[in-house]
Amino acid sequence: GDSVTQMEGPVTLSEEAFLTINCTYTATGYPSLFWYVQYPGEGLQLLLKATKADDKGSNKGFEATYRKETTSFHLEKGSVQVSDSAVYFCALSAGSGNTGKLIFGQGTTLQVKP
Amino acid sequence: EAGVAQSPRYKIIEKRQSVAFWCNPISGHATLYWYQQILGQGPKLLIQFQNNGVVDDSQLPKDRFSAERLKGVDSTLKIQPAKLEDSAVYLCASSSRGFGANVLTFGAGSRLTVL
Repeated sequence: GDSVTQMEGPVTLSEEAFLTINCTYTATGYPSLFWYVQYPGEGLQLLLKATKADDKGSNKGFEATYRKETTSFHLEKGSVQVSDSAVYFCALSAGSGNTGKLIFGQGTTLQVKP
Repeated sequence: EAGVAQSPRYKIIEKRQSVAFWCNPISGHATLYWYQQILGQGPKLLIQFQNNGVVDDSQLPKDRFSAERLKGVDSTLKIQPAKLEDSAVYLCASSSRGFGANVLTFGAGSRLTVL
């Protein structure tokens, strides 16, 4: 079945460091891919999305490119801030008769230290 | 625009007791989802509604979990009887459509602890 695999955390970085969180997927057909973020005490929020191969999603300095050949959607940011500390979830929407439901990875915790 | 409202935010019960969670989606959103998020894991879909009809409940443990969405707006998720492994955050989400590259808006969640 469809699935998403993320790199394990926690990831601990110093402020202004470069961030990469790896995400790979297995899916039938042509999935749409998403990154959601969960700040402490809050609900999941959409960070960015990409709906077809080679699309790049971007928001708040974060970027991810939909790579069909490597079935990946890695999240990157050039310079992280303390306020980026959160749990990041990679997700896909796919399947025959795609109902729009999301399948999530296990999440990666990011801690940014000043 | 008001977000997805959930209550209660926290609930502690003993095993074999029952509990109910309530969700009010964004106005006009036809599709409503209930997800279970166990500590350290990603959210897992329990049930999806399109208006007041069930689209997908393949991962809902139907011997103890039930959900309804009367009149296609608010929804309740019930667990009876609860087990220790039901300790989790129960997330409600809604979207304006139920297919394709669908953006879900999530509530803050209801945290359940079963002792």
